[in-house]
Amino acid sequence: SAVISQKPSRDICQRGTSLTIQCQVDSQVTMMFWYRQQPGQSLTLIATANQGSEATYESGFVIDKFPISRPNLTFSTLTVSNMSPEDSSIYLCSAARFSYEQYFGPGTRLTVT
Amino acid sequence: RKEVEQDPGPFNVPEGATVAFNCTYSNSASQSFFWYRQDCRKEPKLLMSVYSSGNEDGRFTAQLNRASQYISLLIRDSKLSDSATYLCVVNRRSGNTPLVFGKGTRLSVIA
Repeated sequence: SAVISQKPSRDICQRGTSLTIQCQVDSQVTMMFWYRQQPGQSLTLIATANQGSEATYESGFVIDKFPISRPNLTFSTLTVSNMSPEDSSIYLCSAARFSYEQYFGPGTRLTVT
Repeated sequence: RKEVEQDPGPFNVPEGATVAFNCTYSNSASQSFFWYRQDCRKEPKLLMSVYSSGNEDGRFTAQLNRASQYISLLIRDSKLSDSATYLCVVNRRSGNTPLVFGKGTRLSVIA
C-alpha cells in the first residue's frame, strides 16, 4: 500500500478566501484522486488529478472553484477557491498504483465561517 | 437509482455475533469491487477486495454475484473493534479509475 500524507490536517477559513491542500505519496503512483466527504455523507469524487495536464472533473465540480495541480507522480494540490460555508467538508486525497486498490490520505477537515 | 446502495443500518450486535452487510450496484459494466472500513473522523481504509470466486480474510468473508449485481460482507465472531462504518465500493470502469462509494452501513458491536 502507499503512505499518503495531507497538509493541513484541518483549517478554519473565512468566507471568500481560498485554501490549498497538499497531498504527498511516499512512492510513485499511477493515479491520484480528490474526494469530498460532507458531514454524515459518503465520499464524492471531485476530480482525477492527471500528471502534467489538466484534471478531469466530475459533474458538479469545476476548475475555477477547485483548481488541481499534479506536477509529478507523487504530489498533488487541491485549492478550494472563494470559499463559502457550503464548502465545509473533509477533503481526501487517494492514490493507486497498478492494482485497482486505492488508498486514502488522512483528510483535511475544512470549516468555513 | 443510486449507483451503489447499501443496507441503511445501523447494526447493533453483541460481541461474538455474526453480521452480514449487503450491497447492490446498478452499473453492470463495473469491474472491481471492494469493502472499505471507515472509523469515526478517519479516512476510509481498504478492508478487502471482492472477487467473483468469493474471498475470505480471517473472520471476514466477501461474496460477489455479478448476475444479481450484489456484493456481501460477512463478519463472524464480532469484536468491539469491528465497530465502524463499512463502505461498499465499486470501480465502474476498468483500470485505475475513480471509485463509487455507497453511503455506508454503521456497525456497533456491544459488550
